[in-house]
Amino acid sequence: DQQVKQNSPSLSVQEGRISILNCDYTNSMFDYFLWYKKYPAEGPTFLISISSIKDKNEDGRFTVFLNKSAKHLSLHIVPSQPGDSAVYFCAGYPGGGADGLTFGKGTHLIIQP
Amino acid sequence: DAGVIQSPRHEVTEMGQEVTLRCKPISGHNSLFWYRQTMMRGLELLIYFNNNVPIDDSGMPEDRFSAKMPNASFSTLKIQPSEPRDSAVYFCASSTPESGPGGYTFGSGTRLTVV
Repeated sequence: DQQVKQNSPSLSVQEGRISILNCDYTNSMFDYFLWYKKYPAEGPTFLISISSIKDKNEDGRFTVFLNKSAKHLSLHIVPSQPGDSAVYFCAGYPGGGADGLTFGKGTHLIIQP
Repeated sequence: DAGVIQSPRHEVTEMGQEVTLRCKPISGHNSLFWYRQTMMRGLELLIYFNNNVPIDDSGMPEDRFSAKMPNASFSTLKIQPSEPRDSAVYFCASSTPESGPGGYTFGSGTRLTVV
């Protein structure tokens, strides 16, 4: 059973426009949600997170929105830049003394010039 | 800081052989995680350690897989015997409470091919 789902394997966006990456989850016990970014031949790197008691967190060009009733979160990148081309992973963090992120399968974002 | 260091970067081995993957976490980080990435299943947590003690190994697929952390600066993931379906990229990550919830630092991974 996939607890974190990213239903779009890829997304193509024009440079300067907004990129919106989506993520759904089934586990209501996640304490935090995170987005990681991955370039080829490198490990994932932490991008931004949001507490389950918040509905928005912003960091520069990156904003994450959380809709708990819909069990849905999204990452907005504005404006999109060529360096944003990467695979983006959504992840849930259990908290409560447990550790270990549960990742989605990722969305490959391609920024076109 | 050199980050999380994994070796080797690439490993090609024949089915049935023993494979050992190595990880050096960031100095001072007290949690260490092993993940496997495949096209079919994405990034899966295999096992994690807190203060060198295995906490959750429920993600280890079979008895052929074992992981150790003999000290705070070194961990191994061993597959014996290896099978073609073990082919994947294996990532090690480390963290500290100061990293924030889920704030891991990943290594660059080991790409394992079993032929």
